[in-house]
Amino acid sequence: DTGVSQDPRHKITKRGQNVTFRCDPISEHNRLYWYRQTLGQGPEFLTYFQNEAQLEKSRLLSDRFSAERPKGSFSTLEIQRTEQGDSAMYLCASSFQETQYFGPGTRLLVL
Amino acid sequence: GDSVTQMEGPVTLSEEAFLTINCTYTATGYPSLFWYVQYPGEGLQLLLKATKADDKGSNKGFEATYRKETTSFHLEKGSVQVSDSAVYFCALSDTYSGGSNYKLTFGKGTLLTVNP
Repeated sequence: DTGVSQDPRHKITKRGQNVTFRCDPISEHNRLYWYRQTLGQGPEFLTYFQNEAQLEKSRLLSDRFSAERPKGSFSTLEIQRTEQGDSAMYLCASSFQETQYFGPGTRLLVL
Repeated sequence: GDSVTQMEGPVTLSEEAFLTINCTYTATGYPSLFWYVQYPGEGLQLLLKATKADDKGSNKGFEATYRKETTSFHLEKGSVQVSDSAVYFCALSDTYSGGSNYKLTFGKGTLLTVNP
């Protein structure tokens, strides 16, 4: 069991640029979640996949955000035209049933 | 909607002191309750969970009891160690969310610092 991995761990970008993050879940887990965590706050739900289907998106997920999970394995989260307010830790989690296991996160800084 | 309220931090204790971190929740259905811990520079790790009323979750000396009558899930440890210094998050997963997607709603987190 290698756990949930995320890449990159850190990303610094300039406002207006596009960024893409990758999440590799635990291999037998069919559920995958993305959360966003800002400083001093708890993680907030962004979106959820069951296998390759994206079944729920939060209102936090503006049109500039898109997530995919092709073939029900790894997932990508893309942010287009980044804004300074997008600076946060982006967390991925996976599960087989209820208990979610989190990756180390990708910390994004938008300058 | 669902919400979780944790006691404000930071909490600073001496080694071997008793720890309580309060957590209360609001949910529309029948939530499962969790405590996650985040050590410096690391991701969230599941500490313990309880899935129904009066269940007690326990792990590494930490305990929390699911109290439906008070909508609470307070975290306790009898004797903290320096290595317990971390941020602790209370969370719920509302199984009545119309499809059982199990998404988590978190509290803001409580920073615990344990001094030798």
